[in-house]
Amino acid sequence: RKEVEQDPGPFNVPEGATVAFNCTYSNSASQSFFWYRQDCRKEPKLLMSVYSSGNEDGRFTAQLNRASQYISLLIRDSKLSDSATYLCVVKDSGTYKYIFGTGTRLKVLA
Amino acid sequence: ETGVTQSPTHLIKTRGQQVTLRCSSQSGHNTVSWYQQALGQGPQFIFQYYREEENGRGNFPPRFSGLQFPNYSSELNVNALELDDSALYLCASSLPLAGGGLYNEQFFGPGTRLTVL
Repeated sequence: RKEVEQDPGPFNVPEGATVAFNCTYSNSASQSFFWYRQDCRKEPKLLMSVYSSGNEDGRFTAQLNRASQYISLLIRDSKLSDSATYLCVVKDSGTYKYIFGTGTRLKVLA
Repeated sequence: ETGVTQSPTHLIKTRGQQVTLRCSSQSGHNTVSWYQQALGQGPQFIFQYYREEENGRGNFPPRFSGLQFPNYSSELNVNALELDDSALYLCASSLPLAGGGLYNEQFFGPGTRLTVL
């Protein structure tokens, strides 16, 4: 079983739609969680950290469910510029490495 | 722009050769991590350097090695290149990730795209 699993997509959605991505992780001792965004042939960039209480940043909402070991990202009112690959990232306690999922591709259509 | 730079941007090598990739971290960051990203995959952790010492390693063979210099810049060396080493190599700098630094952000450089023929 992969340490961090994501549906690779692609998710093709119309502008203005709401879309949700889920990600599951295997290590219950994991401590830190993130969503990164990666545009085609570019480096990943931090979209948001995911805290236990959940957090929101404009149109983006991230949730963490430790009991079920999954993280979610909700994007409301999708824009064309949201088209990218969204990478789920987990950092285990006591280690220094980020574990990335394979990413979920999103295409927002006009 | 993150302030993390990598060189070269592209590189073509043949099987069996050796390669050195370079990374300059963002000002004030003393931790550098290296990742390999194959096409269609997420980045895979290779290793991390903190204050010139290797601080953790992923599932990569010993022919992947690195260095960190006193100015916190870093090198990734790969010996005996194989076709499967073709990938985007990303360097990320941060403040320390251990202890209280659980949510210290990693800033990625633009990467070096390595092709092994």
